Amino acid sequence: DSGVTQTPKHLITATGQRVTLRCSPRSGDLSVYWYQQSLDQGLQFLIQYYNGEERAKGNILERFSAQQFPDLHSELNLSSLELGDSALYFCASSAGVSGANVLTFGAGSRLTVL
Amino acid sequence: GQQLNQSPQSMFIQEGEDVSMNCTSSSIFNTWLWYKQDPGEGPVLLIALYKAGELTSNGRLTAQFGITRKDSFLNISASIPSDVGIYFCAGPRTDKLIFGTGTRLQVFP
Repeated sequence: DSGVTQTPKHLITATGQRVTLRCSPRSGDLSVYWYQQSLDQGLQFLIQYYNGEERAKGNILERFSAQQFPDLHSELNLSSLELGDSALYFCASSAGVSGANVLTFGAGSRLTVL
Repeated sequence: GQQLNQSPQSMFIQEGEDVSMNCTSSSIFNTWLWYKQDPGEGPVLLIALYKAGELTSNGRLTAQFGITRKDSFLNISASIPSDVGIYFCAGPRTDKLIFGTGTRLQVFP
């Protein structure tokens, strides 16, 4: 157990729908990162939050949004889902804000869009 | 955007063999990290490198920070079945961590 909790572990939905993925960071960590991993692909950085504020943005689609709440948990919202959105979505946390900090990953949420 | 290229893309080796893989970038990094992703799990940090030329070991794993600061290498000695997985290099860019394309390792008994 890495200490980073992601729910749900698996999610199957239809095109056009909206889903919310949830992440609880490791105790004491203030930064939360979201990554997308498509089949046989590397980890694509989506977005980072630090202590409730957005700090960095990657190749995140406009249909996707995220936020970090006062209790530091984070949610990634995916809307108007397309087949190509099927992927593993990972949340990671770190103590500080720098990308050089060690990231601790959750086990991921596998999204399947049919 | 920034990309870290890893080679080889995949490796199929026999248990007991040594493994070498590398990661290259078109620009300089001041930190290199190596992560391993087991099947169905999130990546886990193996080794962190903070200085050009640095050579760091973690058990059977040894990683090196290239002197040009544009590359890094990971070696695994005497591979075992549990070494199976995807190995990613990573480097920080301001507030985000950029991951390489990954090397998929398969170990046969």
